[in-house]
Amino acid sequence: GAGVSQSPSNKVTEKGKDVELRCDPISGHTALYWYRQSLGQGLEFLIYFQGNSAPDKSGLPSDRFSAERTGGSVSTLTIQRTQQEDSAVYLCASSLGGSGGAVETQYFGPGTRLLVL
Amino acid sequence: AQSVTQLGSHVSVSEGALVLLRCNYSSSVPPYLFWYVQYPNQGLQLLLKYTTGATLVKGINGFEAEFKKSETSFHLTKPSAHISDAAEYFCAVSVRSGNQFYFGTGTSLTVIP
Repeated sequence: GAGVSQSPSNKVTEKGKDVELRCDPISGHTALYWYRQSLGQGLEFLIYFQGNSAPDKSGLPSDRFSAERTGGSVSTLTIQRTQQEDSAVYLCASSLGGSGGAVETQYFGPGTRLLVL
Repeated sequence: AQSVTQLGSHVSVSEGALVLLRCNYSSSVPPYLFWYVQYPNQGLQLLLKYTTGATLVKGINGFEAEFKKSETSFHLTKPSAHISDAAEYFCAVSVRSGNQFYFGTGTSLTVIP
């Protein structure tokens, strides 16, 4: 079956522009995560969606970052007024989202490489 | 608070040699522990995880890791490295009461023929 897909695979933008990154999770997975991986850094948690519950936004670094998940499936991460420090690889992961929560295996997409000039 | 430290951002081993990738964590509550691998141009995939029970966990491709509570460690090992093991390896921790996962900075493994 299809894995987690992300688009675009690469994005180059100018400082101050807005960008949208898309994630298609595995069908049937109700949990969805966004991470940011900066050069030389580990994966930084951004946001977590579980079913119809309110998302856990505690990892979003500023109010320029937002994410939504429509119909419990596709998710979009939006970065407004991009800054050079936003340059990173943005990873999306999904999991079954049952009661297991923090014990579940996450399935990662290939990421979107964002470069802000 | 939880955190993960991976000692050695780059590790090189000869083909057939022992692979040892180190991971130490800090957690105020009993953690779940994971190792993920990222092959070139691919997404991260799970190698193995520790939840409860036996502290020696076996994963895919001949890898295993041992949870040592007293040392707060979860080191990843493989007796004999293969060329195909060259990849980036990430250790991660989560806690039972939350939804967040905390990842280390990764270790890049090079296998020398």
